[in-house]
Amino acid sequence: DIQMTQSPASLSASLGETVTIECRASEDIYNGLAWYQQKPGKSPQLLIYNANSLHTGVPSRFSGSGSGTQYSLKINSLQSEDVASYFCQQYYDYPYTFGAGTKLELK
Amino acid sequence: EVKLVESGGGLVQPGRSLKLSCAASGFSFNDYWMGWVRQAPGKGLEWIGEINQDSSTINYTPSLKDKFTISRDNAQNTLYLQMSKLGSEDTAIYYCARAGAGSSMDAWGQGASVTVSS
Repeated sequence: DIQMTQSPASLSASLGETVTIECRASEDIYNGLAWYQQKPGKSPQLLIYNANSLHTGVPSRFSGSGSGTQYSLKINSLQSEDVASYFCQQYYDYPYTFGAGTKLELK
Repeated sequence: EVKLVESGGGLVQPGRSLKLSCAASGFSFNDYWMGWVRQAPGKGLEWIGEINQDSSTINYTPSLKDKFTISRDNAQNTLYLQMSKLGSEDTAIYYCARAGAGSSMDAWGQGASVTVSS
């Protein structure tokens, strides 16, 4: 199975700040990567697919980048509604696997 | 509006079986792969598996392959998850999801809570 190592596990940032979350795959996943946002008590929501494509309706302050085994999610100008947990997922190979998640809080 | 609604969750005794349903609406169900993901209390997401449009291909995470069965009824726009030999480790919220671009999951249900306890 492909292991997804996500960092940091938790993050505290101020409103308006830029935040970056990283995900490292145990092998090349050829951009088969998605990022999800999960707010407390809610189901996950897709933010980014194919490593760098913004899902419909997602604010443009979210962006994804990376290639090979290293990927990142960047949130520009952090808003209060961005407080959530974030998960990466590889879908290059079965079984699909998720990172352990990053909990983002406001400072 | 794309809508996925899970049902069938609840409290079940260890060793018993349970079948979850996911009713889909707002899109052409038989055009999409569909999948299941679960989340144990306070934990991360675990991919269970997915099924293609005509049920000819079903993929599972290996550790659950002998316990869980995914199926679908395109006439009823419904996805199913049959779970057997349940243990406390299967206590979780179970989400159904639609596979979109690539195989990202672009629509999710609200989740069905399953608690395995005597």
